[in-house]
Amino acid sequence: QQQVKQSPQSLIVQKGGISIINCAYENTAFDYFPWYQQFPGKGPALLIAIRPDVSEKKEGRFTISFNKSAKQFSLHIMDSQPGDSATYFCAARGDYKLSFGAGTTVTVRA
Amino acid sequence: DVKVTQSSRYLVKRTGEKVFLECVQDMDHENMFWYRQDPGLGLRLIYFSYDVKMKEKGDIPEGYSVSREKKERFSLILESASTNQTSMYLCASSRTGGFYNEQFFGPGTRLTVL
Repeated sequence: QQQVKQSPQSLIVQKGGISIINCAYENTAFDYFPWYQQFPGKGPALLIAIRPDVSEKKEGRFTISFNKSAKQFSLHIMDSQPGDSATYFCAARGDYKLSFGAGTTVTVRA
Repeated sequence: DVKVTQSSRYLVKRTGEKVFLECVQDMDHENMFWYRQDPGLGLRLIYFSYDVKMKEKGDIPEGYSVSREKKERFSLILESASTNQTSMYLCASSRTGGFYNEQFFGPGTRLTVL
């Protein structure tokens, strides 16, 4: 069973729009929540990450919002660009291991 | 830059064959991981190793084994390949210590078992 549930499975956004990907978890022992970005033919690469004692983290056009009480976190991609077209995975760390969500394929239309 | 390399990008094997997937990292990382990636399931951890000759089972170890004889090299072994092991296999490495311990991934090996 997947420890981290991710939605939607895919989304299409116009250039300049906002992409939002949501993740939920149950294990309160998770202590670190990274997002990975994967382009076709490449391995995933760390995009941005947050600790559970922080409610928001922003790096450029990418923002993580974290709601500890709801056990949910989300990735917002502002001003989406065609170069952002990729698959995004949320993850959560417990016992030094990462549990990944199922992934969201984001397509940005020019 | 950290580099994680995997021996093959594409591999086609027959059912029952023994398959070796090799992974090498060049950043002296202590930890190494093997995942499989399937559509709709994300990345699932097969095995990981936190030191030479050490290994720990991940979430889906059945049908797989691993070997880590040198710090930079981590091998995934399919003793008798089956069609349900057709997948993308990703290797990753990370450092021990500190809080963030980013995992760096290789490009993956797409294995097809016929």
